[in-house]
Amino acid sequence: AQSVTQPDIHITVSEGASLELRCNYSYGATPYLFWYVQSPGQGLQLLLKYFSGDTLVQGIKGFEAEFKRSQSSFNLRKPSVHWSDAAEYFCAVRKTGANNLFFGTGTRLTVIP
Amino acid sequence: DGGITQSPKYLFRKEGQNVTLSCEQNLNHDAMYWYRQDPGQGLRLIYYSQIVNDFQKGDIAEGYSVSREKKESFPLTVTSAQKNPTAFYLCASSIVAVQRGARGSLGHSYEQYFGPGTRLTVT
Repeated sequence: AQSVTQPDIHITVSEGASLELRCNYSYGATPYLFWYVQSPGQGLQLLLKYFSGDTLVQGIKGFEAEFKRSQSSFNLRKPSVHWSDAAEYFCAVRKTGANNLFFGTGTRLTVIP
Repeated sequence: DGGITQSPKYLFRKEGQNVTLSCEQNLNHDAMYWYRQDPGQGLRLIYYSQIVNDFQKGDIAEGYSVSREKKESFPLTVTSAQKNPTAFYLCASSIVAVQRGARGSLGHSYEQYFGPGTRLTVT
């Protein structure tokens, strides 16, 4: 069965520090990969996506993610975190030919001054 | 200004009552989705629709019903049969790219765009 794992439930970083949020998936082929961000009580906003090609993808708000086939990972990174980045982050995958997204359980990011 | 609207933002109902959540999109997307979000569980798919007058059950469809009479609208009804209806409900939409193969058409959905959500509380 296809699954998405976000091993970190909650991460706290200092403002200005670097950030890496982990995402691993289990699927035989390369899926379509997404990162979404959700502020409290709001909907989800797409940060970035990977379909094919360059394995390092750039997104909005200064985020990037790297697809590593050998590790079945699609980790999200940001070199310098801002207080406004505090939110919940979801990794999602879509299998080729499938209609739906499968979401991880999310990682809540807290940013301290 | 294109997007997805969900109304109302907060909804309160008594146990045993059916309630309908609204979802409208003006993105001209063919596919629409309903998700339920509970703390610590991510998003779970309730129903989805790729075309008007057609929809499929997701992972947790029991106790819910939907209709798709118009491309722009995909309302969700939470029935009294849903055992734990209190949750945050998210609607989404996406493009469906159709590829025609030897066996007919195959639908592929691209990234989904989300509405602001409706928080339903049932007491």
